[in-house]
Amino acid sequence: DQQVKQNSPSLSVQEGRISILNCDYTNSMFDYFLWYKKYPAEGPTFLISISSIKDKNEDGRFTVFLNKSAKHLSLHIVPSQPGDSAVYFCAAISLNTGTASKLTFGTGTRLQVTL
Amino acid sequence: DAGVIQSPRHEVTEMGQEVTLRCKPISGHNSLFWYRQTMMRGLELLIYFNNNVPIDDSGMPEDRFSAKMPNASFSTLKIQPSEPRDSAVYFCASSPRLEQRDGYTFGSGTRLTVV
Repeated sequence: DQQVKQNSPSLSVQEGRISILNCDYTNSMFDYFLWYKKYPAEGPTFLISISSIKDKNEDGRFTVFLNKSAKHLSLHIVPSQPGDSAVYFCAAISLNTGTASKLTFGTGTRLQVTL
Repeated sequence: DAGVIQSPRHEVTEMGQEVTLRCKPISGHNSLFWYRQTMMRGLELLIYFNNNVPIDDSGMPEDRFSAKMPNASFSTLKIQPSEPRDSAVYFCASSPRLEQRDGYTFGSGTRLTVV
């Protein structure tokens, strides 16, 4: 049962345009969400996160939006650059359950930024 | 710090052979995670340790998989006997604590091919 879903396996965007990557989750206990970026032959690296008490978090060109009622989050990259071409993983965790918790990842979306 | 170190980077083995993957977490990190990446399921958590103690191994696919963490600086993931469907990239990650808001630090992975 996939608790974190990324329904678009790939996305192609022109350089300079906005990239929007989407993620849905089913577990209402998740209260913290993260995006990871992965280049070929490397491990995933942390990109940006958001707490469930917020609906937006911005870091430079990257903004994550959270819609709790829809159990949906998205990552916006503006403007997109060729170096952003990578696989992006959405992840979620329950921080306040009082029991040991861990990150649950989606299946990833491959972003290609074209010239 | 050199980050999370995994070895080998690549492993090709014949079906039925034993495979051992190794991980050295970041010094001072108390939590260690083994993930497997496949196209179909994305990043799947296999097992995780906290203070060298296995906390949850419910993601380990079968009894053929086992993991140990004999001390704070070393962990192994063993597959015996290996099968072609075990072919994947295996990642080790570490974190200062389980509920880490900045996420986990991943190694570069071991690409396993079972023929």
